[in-house]
Amino acid sequence: SYELTQPPSVSVSPGQTARITCSGDALPKQYGSWYQQKPGQAPVMVIYKDRERPSGIPERFSGSSSGTTVTLTISGVQAEDEADYYCQSPDSSDTYWVFGGGTKLTVL
Amino acid sequence: QITLKESGLTLVKPTQTLTLTCTFSGFSLSTSGVGVGWIRQPPGKTLEWLALIYWNDDERYSPSLKTRLSITKDTSLNQVVLTMTDMDPVDTATYYCAHADVNFFGSGTYSRWGQGTLVTVSS
Repeated sequence: SYELTQPPSVSVSPGQTARITCSGDALPKQYGSWYQQKPGQAPVMVIYKDRERPSGIPERFSGSSSGTTVTLTISGVQAEDEADYYCQSPDSSDTYWVFGGGTKLTVL
Repeated sequence: QITLKESGLTLVKPTQTLTLTCTFSGFSLSTSGVGVGWIRQPPGKTLEWLALIYWNDDERYSPSLKTRLSITKDTSLNQVVLTMTDMDPVDTATYYCAHADVNFFGSGTYSRWGQGTLVTVSS
């Protein structure tokens, strides 16, 4: 079955740029989206259609896509950005959807 | 404003069937492109996609759980129901329902999530 692969953890200092990657064979054909989840809370969408940012999400969050990889970039990381981040996409035929394994972002 | 809320029994015994209801507001499941899905997350673990139903009754299921899942909708009540048969302790998780709009957000995106409900499977 289809899988999305993320690094388990990423660490950055405040003010630096964090980049979280997500790899999957269907990503050249399907959009990727990103969610932020803080402890005890439901996930919140931060990026859709690879690079679109919904209203209410800070401009420091951006997305990009290249081949089989989508990337979430957080510029000028703040302490409040510490959370788990998950990517999601449909499989190549859009039969079912899949989440990546999640990346824990630590702000040092 | 879109809101969703999960409800149902929070403690089930092994082999029993779980029934969860998602009650939503702020959108209609009769609108083209709209769907409601279910996702779960075992304590301390990652998200797992379960099922999705679209405005046109198209149903999608996780390949690994397809034989145990059923998703239905009641457009007039603004509800979506998920049933999962033959529950096991490994199914203990927080179960979320979420809103999808493939025409606006594209396929593979949940724009808004419910708060989730913790379901424990234990005898």
